[in-house]
Amino acid sequence: DAMVIQNPRYQVTQFGKPVTLSCSQTLNHNVMYWYQQKSSQAPKLLFHYYDKDFNNEADTPDNFQSRRPNTSFCFLDIRSPGLGDAAMYLCATSRDSGSPETQYFGPGTRLLVL
Amino acid sequence: QKEVEQNSGPLSVPEGAIASLNCTYSDRGSQSFFWYRQYSGKSPELIMFIYSNGDKEDGRFTAQLNKASQYVSLLIRDSQPSDSATYLCAVTYTGNQFYFGTGTSLTVIP
Repeated sequence: DAMVIQNPRYQVTQFGKPVTLSCSQTLNHNVMYWYQQKSSQAPKLLFHYYDKDFNNEADTPDNFQSRRPNTSFCFLDIRSPGLGDAAMYLCATSRDSGSPETQYFGPGTRLLVL
Repeated sequence: QKEVEQNSGPLSVPEGAIASLNCTYSDRGSQSFFWYRQYSGKSPELIMFIYSNGDKEDGRFTAQLNKASQYVSLLIRDSQPSDSATYLCAVTYTGNQFYFGTGTSLTVIP
């Protein structure tokens, strides 16, 4: 059964055209993460939600925004994609039980910017 | 700055051999340590995690943690061609952030 679902799997957008990536989970985990991963690089944490509490990494560009309307869904909005934003975007979830729990990753959305 | 360092490789081992993957981390406050496997174009999948000093075994995989040396390793016994992938080390601290290394590329030669 799918646990962390990302849509679409592949997204092509034009330079400067806003794009939204979505993530949903059936695990009822209270923490959700968005990562950006470029080729041969480590996943880079963009932000995460602890329930509705939004936590932005200091070096995440303002061009990236996120929404979490409920426990199950989380969205990544890229307001004006640049060529440098082409990457794999990974959504992950974890259950916070007072100590860090393992993360479960979705399949990722590969973004191409033309 | 919380850094997680891995040798990028590539590491090549013959089929049936032991593959040894290493990871060091900079912050002594690190609490939990994870090894993920990532095939090209796919998302990371968890292999195993370790919290306490010493060894933890799960099938062909053994994680080793030495907090005094700030070092965590992954041993893969009886390596198979299907083990060829990039292996990511991840470290967590208090809070919910995971910090990843850049990964080590492993190739198992039939």
